[in-house]
Formats: sequence, structure tokens, C-alpha cells
Amino acid sequence: KNQVEQSPQSLIILEGKNCTLQCNYTVSPFSNLRWYKQDTGRGPVSLTIMTFSENTKSNGRYTATLDADTKQSSLHITASQLSDSASYICVVSGGSQGNLIFGKGTKLSVKP
Amino acid sequence: EPEVTQTPSHQVTQMGQEVILRCVPISNHLYFYWYRQILGQKVEFLVSFYNNEISEKSEIFDDQFSVERPDGSNFTLKIRSTKLEDSAMYFCATGWWRDDGEQFFGPGTRLTVL
Repeated sequence: KNQVEQSPQSLIILEGKNCTLQCNYTVSPFSNLRWYKQDTGRGPVSLTIMTFSENTKSNGRYTATLDADTKQSSLHITASQLSDSASYICVVSGGSQGNLIFGKGTKLSVKP
Repeated sequence: EPEVTQTPSHQVTQMGQEVILRCVPISNHLYFYWYRQILGQKVEFLVSFYNNEISEKSEIFDDQFSVERPDGSNFTLKIRSTKLEDSAMYFCATGWWRDDGEQFFGPGTRLTVL
């Protein structure tokens, strides 16, 4: 069954600190992996998209990694800011229908 | 910067009533999608739409659901006879490339069925 699992479920960090969020997937066939940021009550906003051949991609203070062999990805946030408080969702494009398969997200809270 | 818009932001309806959720895609986008997110759960794919027809649909998208682009700009999701379990946030997303290209999400419509 095509699944995307994320950990931790939630995370609290102090402003200025770094953190890393994890994603494991079992999606076949695989097309690409995305990380989205979702503020409460809003639509997801794309942070990065990585294909099979890419193993790292950055977008400002966000750096995503992908290990297609172990089917794992991570999102590293550097020098966190209060505005980083949101849910971060790992999404894999693929499966038999080629649509997006979402993880449940990691809820990040950045405290002053 | 262009963005996807959705109306209404919140819809309250009685069980059994029909609702229509509206989305205005980014102007040069060709691929359109509806997703839903039940409170506290993950986002789920409902349907994709390209070239004025459904490309893919999930098991959730049963005969109670329909989509159309009535005037070439708006993209609508109709639920014919709402059920309590249809209460969720509904997101429209659009893209200019196929399903594995980038998708831009709207702010969502919160549907509450009483």
C-alpha cells in the first residue's frame, strides 16, 4: 500500500535553533517528493520538489534531502523563526494513479 | 504574484443539501485538482481534471461528487447530497504541468455539514 509516514508528530523548539523532520515512504512507482508548509487553516505551500536523481535541495533556510534507496527524506530548518510555526507535510507523487500521497505532517512550534 | 482563490471561505449546510465550492485557478494553468482534509487528518486526493475532463479520481470521489469548468475560468466541486462526514476543508490546486509537476494550493473552503 502506498504510504507516507512522518516523524515526529509534533516538535517544539526555541527560536534560532535548528531542527530536522523525517519522512519515510512506500510509494511505487515514485515520481518525486515534495515538502509543503501548511499554516493553520491555510492551503499547503510548496517548499521543495525533488526527483529520483536529486539528493538535496535548498530553499532559503529549508534544506531537503532524499535517499531514494532507503526511501527516506528529511527537511532541515536552520535558524528557526517564529513564523516557521506550522505543519510540514511530506508528499510523494507517484503510485498507480500518479497523484499526490500526503503524510500526516509534523506540527512545528517555534517559541521565543 | 498570481494565486489560486477559493470561495466561499466557509460554508455551513444542512445534511442532504447540495453545495458548490468554487475555485479560480492561476490563469495559465491547465491541470486542476480537488483535495480534502478532515480536521486533524491528512490531506486526501479527490480528483484531477485536465482538458475539460476528469483524469483521475479517488475512491472518495463517488457519484455524489462532480467537477466542471462551467465558464473556462472557474473550477467547481459539487456535492449533490451532503453527509455529516463530508465536513472538511476542501482545497483546490492547479498546475501548468502534469500531475507530477508543481501544484499551487488555494486557501481552502471549510465545509460544515449539520
